[in-house]
Amino acid sequence: ETGVTQTPRHLVMGMTNKKSLKCEQHLGHNAMYWYKQSAKKPLELMFVYNFKEQTENNSVPSRFSPECPNSSHLFLHLHTLQPEDSALYLCASSQEHEGNQPQHFGDGTRLSIL
Amino acid sequence: GQQLNQSPQSMFIQEGEDVSMNCTSSSIFNTWLWYKQDPGEGPVLLIALYKAGELTSNGRLTAQFGITRKDSFLNISASIPSDVGIYFCAVPGRSNFGNEKLTFGTGTRLTIIP
Repeated sequence: ETGVTQTPRHLVMGMTNKKSLKCEQHLGHNAMYWYKQSAKKPLELMFVYNFKEQTENNSVPSRFSPECPNSSHLFLHLHTLQPEDSALYLCASSQEHEGNQPQHFGDGTRLSIL
Repeated sequence: GQQLNQSPQSMFIQEGEDVSMNCTSSSIFNTWLWYKQDPGEGPVLLIALYKAGELTSNGRLTAQFGITRKDSFLNISASIPSDVGIYFCAVPGRSNFGNEKLTFGTGTRLTIIP
């Protein structure tokens, strides 16, 4: 139990569908992140939310839309995805502004685009 | 951008053997982190290193922060089946937007041969 919970664990969707990934952290952290993990590639940072404000969009296509209603919850809204978007999407949280604090990860959502 | 070279990419060992892996960079860092990712789960922090030359243990795992601050090593002694997974090194840094971000190595996949 890492304190970061992601749902669903697996998602299969067509390219025209709209779905959302959810992340919740129980660690009292003030920053949350979305990462994409594709086969044989390093984890890629997608978005950063710091104190509920989106502070970074790492050149992610607009078909991915993040939402952070409060410091404990983070969503990733998906629409008209492409086959190359199939990957493991990981959420993480950390306590910013306290030095190099490690990020804590959820177990991810395995996304498959048909 | 920052790049971490992690080696080896994969290891096939027998139970009971010791394991060594490393991570190198052309840049200097103040912190090195080691994560492990089990199949179907997110990365879990194993060891955090905050001082050059530091040697830190976590059970059968030992990690060292290289004296040059450009590398780190992870050793696993007397491997057991539950050691199977992917091991990642990571370093904290700042993105172009000033956010704390982690840069990950490409991972070392550990497989134990029966």
